[in-house]
Formats: sequence, structure tokens, C-alpha cells
Amino acid sequence: NAGVTQTPKFRVLKTGQSMTLLCAQDMNHEYMYWYRQDPGMGLRLIHYSVGEGTTAKGEVPDGYNVSRLKKQNFLLGLESAAPSQTSVYFCASSSGLNQPQHFGDGTRLSIL
Amino acid sequence: AQSVTQLDSQVPVFEEAPVELRCNYSSSVSVYLFWYVQYPNQGLQLLLKYLSGSTLVKGINGFEAEFNKSQTSFHLRKPSVHISDTAEYFCAAQTYSTLTFGKGTMLLVSP
Repeated sequence: NAGVTQTPKFRVLKTGQSMTLLCAQDMNHEYMYWYRQDPGMGLRLIHYSVGEGTTAKGEVPDGYNVSRLKKQNFLLGLESAAPSQTSVYFCASSSGLNQPQHFGDGTRLSIL
Repeated sequence: AQSVTQLDSQVPVFEEAPVELRCNYSSSVSVYLFWYVQYPNQGLQLLLKYLSGSTLVKGINGFEAEFNKSQTSFHLRKPSVHISDTAEYFCAAQTYSTLTFGKGTMLLVSP
């Protein structure tokens, strides 16, 4: 009964380092999303995917890249981390455009 | 473009009192509306959704919301809150492929 699983749960990076956040879902959902959550800002969409091999930009895509090589996985990459990217990152998936999204438990990322 | 406004950043309330969390949206096209709840250090869970049909929507944990098209509102209500309802609540509007969230309302229930 895993649903949406995010790894890692916590990470501290130095400015300029790179890393990849992994999201895996076992519900056979077509749509997957990456959000960032900052205090007082709600959730903002970074990138999303409407199917295997597709990606699209959301509201705040700069500084991030994504890949959806397999239907069940959606990777979020930071090529050169900046302190402004300190945030909690959430992955979500859904079965359709207007269907509820299922969220993972988040990744807390700190950039020093 | 759509936007979602949650009018209160914090709502303090005593246990067993009623509560209303306000949400207004703007969109040039039809929207689907959701309320999510986030407990500390967890992801978001769906409380309820409005896709079409009856404007009064019932969700989990005794919550309900009413869609009001003329006022572009989707306020969340519960007649009697519990301590365990303390959490952050997010209203969200979806058109096409993207979901836009409000900034959240922290519901603080005290004994």
C-alpha cells in the first residue's frame, strides 16, 4: 500500500552541488507532478508529466530539470543547487487531469 | 490564469465549536475544486472535491464544502471540531492539467 514514495526524506547540500530526487508511484497513474512548499506560499508547481516520456514546465521551473523515463518514476534534478532552493519538495500523481492528486510525504532539502 | 485566495492564514477555535475556512477562486474557464489537509511533517491528503453536480460536497472527517459559482467561493465547514483537526488546510483549483493552491489556512484547535 505504498502509494507515492519519495527518496530521500532529508538532504543537506552545499551551494553548487547537484542532486536528484526520486518519486515512485505504484498506482499506474499517468500524471505526475513536482511541487515545492515554502512558508506562507502554499504549493507551487515546478514541473509535471502527463505520461511516460513527457514533461512540461509549471509555475516555477527555473533551476530544475525532470525526467519520466518510466511510467512509475518521476525524477527531479537540481544541477547547481542555490540557497533559494531550500524548501520541502512534494511529488504527486493522479489518474487523470481532473482527478485528485496523491501526495508523497515530502523531501526536506536544505542548501547551505 | 486561475488563482486561489484563502482569506485567513490562521483560524484559532475551541474544541467542539464550528469552523469555516474561506476560499475564493478566479478563473476564466470551468474549474474543479479541492480541499486538502496537511498534518505536520506529512504530505497532503484529499478532504473533498467538487467536480460537478450538487454544490454541497461532503468529505472525510465530517468536513463539507459548498460551491458557490456566483460568489466564486468554496468554503470549508465543520460543525464541531476536534483537537485532532489541528492542521493546515489548502484549497486548490484545477483547470486543464495544473492544480493551483491557495497559501493555506492553519486551523488551531484548543481545549
